[in-house]
Amino acid sequence: AQSVTQLGSHVSVSEGALVLLRCNYSSSVPPYLFWYVQYPNQGLQLLLKYTTGATLVKGINGFEAEFKKSETSFHLTKPSAHMSDAAEYFCAASGNMLTFGGGTRLMVKP
Amino acid sequence: EAGVTQFPSHSVIEKGQTVTLRCDPISGHDNLYWYRRVMGKEIKFLLHFVKESKQDESGMPNNRFLAERTGGTYSTLKVQPAELEDSGVYFCASSRGTRFSAFFGQGTRLTVV
Repeated sequence: AQSVTQLGSHVSVSEGALVLLRCNYSSSVPPYLFWYVQYPNQGLQLLLKYTTGATLVKGINGFEAEFKKSETSFHLTKPSAHMSDAAEYFCAASGNMLTFGGGTRLMVKP
Repeated sequence: EAGVTQFPSHSVIEKGQTVTLRCDPISGHDNLYWYRRVMGKEIKFLLHFVKESKQDESGMPNNRFLAERTGGTYSTLKVQPAELEDSGVYFCASSRGTRFSAFFGQGTRLTVV
């Protein structure tokens, strides 16, 4: 069975600072990996995904994530945080269904 | 193109009552999933339809939960009778295939009092 772990249920950064949200997965076979974002009172929106090929994946709103098989990680980054990035972020791994991490709430301070 | 639509957005019911949640997937998406997030916990898989057939219902908590997908279009998730621990946000998602990205609805927030 696969599992996904997100380190840090809450992350706070200043506007303009680097955003780093951590995700590690456990799977016997490298799964497809996803990052979803949930803004207040909205559904889950796909930020980016890794399937095969290039390990650095670029997504919407300036986010990117790098798949590192040796570290079983898929951390999400953004060079410069914006106030509008405040939301909850979910890492997920795909088999026939999605297995989610616990979520990380990102707070951006002015 | 319309996204995944869920009704209602919120529901507050008393313990022992029945509630039915509805999900309209993106047109043409054969795969439909239900997930649930209980307060403070992970989003957990409930079940997976391929067209009108249940492909995997291993995540359904117990027999108080019944999911259907009429004609392979919209899906309903009925909870009968509801218990306090059923409170949470129920998400529906659809995709063209199991290895394609899943698109999520806004969720239904269910509160059982």
